[in-house]
Amino acid sequence: QQPVQSPQAVILREGEDAVINCSSSKALYSVHWYRQKHGEAPVFLMILLKGGEQKGHEKISASFNEKKQQSSLYLTASQLSYSGTYFCGTEDSGYALNFGKGTSLLVTP
Amino acid sequence: NAGVTQTPKFRVLKTGQSMTLLCAQDMNHEYMYWYRQDPGMGLRLIHYSVGEGTTAKGEVPDGYNVSRLKKQNFLLGLESAAPSQTSVYFCASSTGLGVNIQYFGAGTRLSVL
Repeated sequence: QQPVQSPQAVILREGEDAVINCSSSKALYSVHWYRQKHGEAPVFLMILLKGGEQKGHEKISASFNEKKQQSSLYLTASQLSYSGTYFCGTEDSGYALNFGKGTSLLVTP
Repeated sequence: NAGVTQTPKFRVLKTGQSMTLLCAQDMNHEYMYWYRQDPGMGLRLIHYSVGEGTTAKGEVPDGYNVSRLKKQNFLLGLESAAPSQTSVYFCASSTGLGVNIQYFGAGTRLSVL
């Protein structure tokens, strides 16, 4: 079942902060976050596991509320390179991810 | 490191024609996936495979078939293409163990006229 992301789109100026939310109606093993630049493939950003462990590659933080089956991605002091579409992917079966419809983020100078 | 390679990158088909999209990964991953991406819809899972010789249906499997004869390859077939199958197709692979991070190919842009 597809998770719900909010907001659908956000425009920031460099240096501003943003929060992207992802919620599911199912109990989750993990939540994944990916970023996709226009015309490119999605790229892994971060995974949040049941139990609170986080694994990521960039200076972007996230949280996972297991009781509410909600995750939030925190982008602080945004840079122009943060522009793109952010997808959350939720794992409830251990085999595949269900991706949200995405949040379009534009960072302007 | 090639990672996940998709061929072709672009294709135009006429309604009713057939074609096969190839996905190859060199990371020795067990799991492989095919997604389609349409504007405003996100990534929707078509089929996936949890190992050589196995396949399973995803969210939107109708009109597609897949095969995983070799661990490193995952083929997506369209037997009789329809305009509704105009989309960008992404292949992904993952280890399938523990932290199941998916690595995506560059995508195939398919237009069905």
